[in-house]
Amino acid sequence: ILNVEQSPQSLHVQEGDSTNFTCSFPSSNFYALHWYRWETAKSPEALFVMTLNGDEKKKGRISATLNTKEGYSYLYIKGSQPEDSATYLCAFDREAGNMLTFGGGTRLMVKP
Amino acid sequence: NAGVTQTPKFQVLKTGQSMTLQCAQDMNHEYMSWYRQDPGMGLRLIHYSVGAGITDQGEVPNGYNVSRSTTEDFPLRLLSAAPSQTSVYFCASSSAVWEPQHFGDGTRLSIL
Repeated sequence: ILNVEQSPQSLHVQEGDSTNFTCSFPSSNFYALHWYRWETAKSPEALFVMTLNGDEKKKGRISATLNTKEGYSYLYIKGSQPEDSATYLCAFDREAGNMLTFGGGTRLMVKP
Repeated sequence: NAGVTQTPKFQVLKTGQSMTLQCAQDMNHEYMSWYRQDPGMGLRLIHYSVGAGITDQGEVPNGYNVSRSTTEDFPLRLLSAAPSQTSVYFCASSSAVWEPQHFGDGTRLSIL
């Protein structure tokens, strides 16, 4: 069983704060690292798919970086808004078969 | 734009009953997967398919069968339901291994 760890498990921030979370994954047999945003009572929505060491992706106020050699990815949210409140999931793809192993998620709560 | 459609949304079964969770996508995606989501466990891969006629086991396949006779459909069968299979089940599809997965709305299954 692959070990994909996310930290912290939960995070409370004030509106306007910038924040970041970590996803750790095995550094061997890497193919891709996915990030998803999951709001309560909805289904996960894709944020990024990252495949190359050193990749940086950005979508609005959310960005992510990837280090495949050491097995970690960071997700950053700049100027958090209440609508950013959600669980953020990372998933590791080891064999290019779209066989994802998900971490447990980081639950973000942004207070107005 | 239907995307990934899962039926039913809710189901209650008795131990020992069998049933099929339906998943259909209209995006002509080759890759399809089934996950279960349990509290504190994150999303875990049950079975996946890389194209019509091709399926394989994920992390937690025991007690479940799948088939992929068409590109569009990927049903998940519970052969003899057990209380341990009480969970929320998500189906997902993707066009390519480097592309994100698109998730259905989930099926909440309770087994008494």
